[in-house]
Amino acid sequence: DADVTQTPRNRITKTGKRIMLECSQTKGHDRMYWYRQDPGLGLRLIYYSFDVKDINKGEISDGYSVSRQAQAKFSLSLESAIPNQTALYFCATSVTSGRTAYNEQFFGPGTRLTVL
Amino acid sequence: DAKTTQPTSMDCAEGRAANLPCNHSTISGNEYVYWYRQIHSQGPQYIIHGLKNNETNEMASLIITEDRKSSTLILPHATLRDTAVYYCIVRVRGGADGLTFGKGTHLIIQP
Repeated sequence: DADVTQTPRNRITKTGKRIMLECSQTKGHDRMYWYRQDPGLGLRLIYYSFDVKDINKGEISDGYSVSRQAQAKFSLSLESAIPNQTALYFCATSVTSGRTAYNEQFFGPGTRLTVL
Repeated sequence: DAKTTQPTSMDCAEGRAANLPCNHSTISGNEYVYWYRQIHSQGPQYIIHGLKNNETNEMASLIITEDRKSSTLILPHATLRDTAVYYCIVRVRGGADGLTFGKGTHLIIQP
């Protein structure tokens, strides 16, 4: 079974709709991330969370919100989807050891979102 | 985080060693070099990282120059499944936030 799972894998929605993308992990990692990837570009960070009580904005957080329901679950919401949010979305996890965050991140398979 | 420069694309014959270069001339003393790859539209996969010594694992080898201004990722016996975009990332290991991905190098393994 995959360590980092994302649901749904594909989603088509309409402008103005609210949509939630979900991420679950069985790796026991404390840190979770949401990234967005546009065609031909690298990934850009949307939000990240160090633990259930800690949420931080990334490079491109406008138009998005997140919820860390448990250590293993991190959800990304688009309150009112717009066409330029059409992209591939990835969730990732990493582990902290003591006070050191390791940069070896483990990624989910991605969610392809299309906003019409 | 230090900026990295990678070629846009490279070809390599199947079974040969693939050598992917990365320039990071502004790297700081406490910054590591990380390599990830992304096979078409899949989630990126961690490959290897290093500080100043050469590193090897089951996937690849990482050669870092003595002045640390550049590095080379080596896939010793490339297969068709190694066709992917390879990202070189430089950052402090204890960095709290996410990774910064550039455009990477699109490595195409030719049969």
